[in-house]
Amino acid sequence: DADVTQTPRNRITKTGKRIMLECSQTKGHDRMYWYRQDPGLGLRLIYYSFDVKDINKGEISDGYSVSRQAQAKFSLSLESAIPNQTALYFCATSDPGTGLFFGPGTRLTVL
Amino acid sequence: ILNVEQSPQSLHVQEGDSTNFTCSFPSSNFYALHWYRWETAKSPEALFVMTLNGDEKKKGRISATLNTKEGYSYLYIKGSQPEDSATYLCAFYGGSQGNLIFGKGTKLSVKP
Repeated sequence: DADVTQTPRNRITKTGKRIMLECSQTKGHDRMYWYRQDPGLGLRLIYYSFDVKDINKGEISDGYSVSRQAQAKFSLSLESAIPNQTALYFCATSDPGTGLFFGPGTRLTVL
Repeated sequence: ILNVEQSPQSLHVQEGDSTNFTCSFPSSNFYALHWYRWETAKSPEALFVMTLNGDEKKKGRISATLNTKEGYSYLYIKGSQPEDSATYLCAFYGGSQGNLIFGKGTKLSVKP
């Protein structure tokens, strides 16, 4: 079984819709992250959480919100999706001193 | 805004060639430098986490060096194989900003 899972894996939605992307992990890591990848721009951090009570904005948090429901769960919401939020979204986890462990990604298309 | 630069942007080599690419990062407030390998249609996977100036890490035919004083790291692949084809990402962690800043990657293509 995968250590970091993301649902859904693919999603097509319309402008203005609310979307939630979910991430679960079995690695026991306290730290969780949401990144988006756009062609030519590399991975950019949206939000990160170092424990259940700690939520921090990343480089590009506008238009997004997150919820850390438990150590193992970190969800990303787009309150009102817009076309420029079309991207590949990755959830990741880590422990201090380790590299990031990435989930399989969610491909989101906003029409 | 902290900047992490990788060069070259892309690289095409023949099977058996050895190759290297560069990651440049801020030389102040250094905490760690990560290297990741990202194959097409997969997720990035961590190769190395480097924390000390002069660090050298090795995994099979892939190795990396780190110079924190001048702000660069090299990734070397010896005797490239087609299965080495991937995008190689570096990421800088300066403890003060609390998260990793990724470069845009070097895309390596190895022709049989």
